[in-house]
Amino acid sequence: AQRVTQPEKLLSVFKGAPVELKCNYSYSGSPELFWYVQYSRQRLQLLLRHISRESIKGFTADLNKGETSFHLKKPFAQEEDSAMYYCALGAGRRALTFGSGTRLQVQP
Amino acid sequence: DGGITQSPKYLFRKEGQNVTLSCEQNLNHDAMYWYRQDPGQGLRLIYYSQIVNDFQKGDIAEGYSVSREKKESFPLTVTSAQKNPTAFYLCASGQGGYNEQFFGPGTRLTVL
Repeated sequence: AQRVTQPEKLLSVFKGAPVELKCNYSYSGSPELFWYVQYSRQRLQLLLRHISRESIKGFTADLNKGETSFHLKKPFAQEEDSAMYYCALGAGRRALTFGSGTRLQVQP
Repeated sequence: DGGITQSPKYLFRKEGQNVTLSCEQNLNHDAMYWYRQDPGQGLRLIYYSQIVNDFQKGDIAEGYSVSREKKESFPLTVTSAQKNPTAFYLCASGQGGYNEQFFGPGTRLTVL
């Protein structure tokens, strides 16, 4: 069965520090991976997907099939990055499997 | 925001009663989804529908039922068989498959 693991419930960093939100998945085939974000008092929304290979709001994520990971990275955190981040896996069925989420807190 | 709506925002029900949560979209999306969001557990898929008149069970379908009679609507009924119904429920829609999902504002259900 598909599974997504986000090991950190909370990640707290200072403004300007690098950020890495971890995501590991379990699936033996070729998955599609996504990061969704929920800012305070806003709806959950797509941040980026691995097949786009683009940087959104300074965030990037590389799919590592060998390590079954899709970590989200940003070199310099901003206060407006504070939000709840969910990693999601598309595999085996026409629906996503979400992780438990990591709350990113960027302190001034 | 807009495009996908959920009502009501807050819902209170007595134990043993069935309750139906509304989800409507005017984005002309084929697919619609229901998730349950609990603290520390992320989003868990309840049911999903890729096309009108068809739907599939997700990971935690027990105690829930859905219908998809219209493209725009995907109501979720929380039945008395659901052992722990108090939660935040999110509806989403999309073009299907692994295309981007657009989320509603959610309904917080409290069973007293």
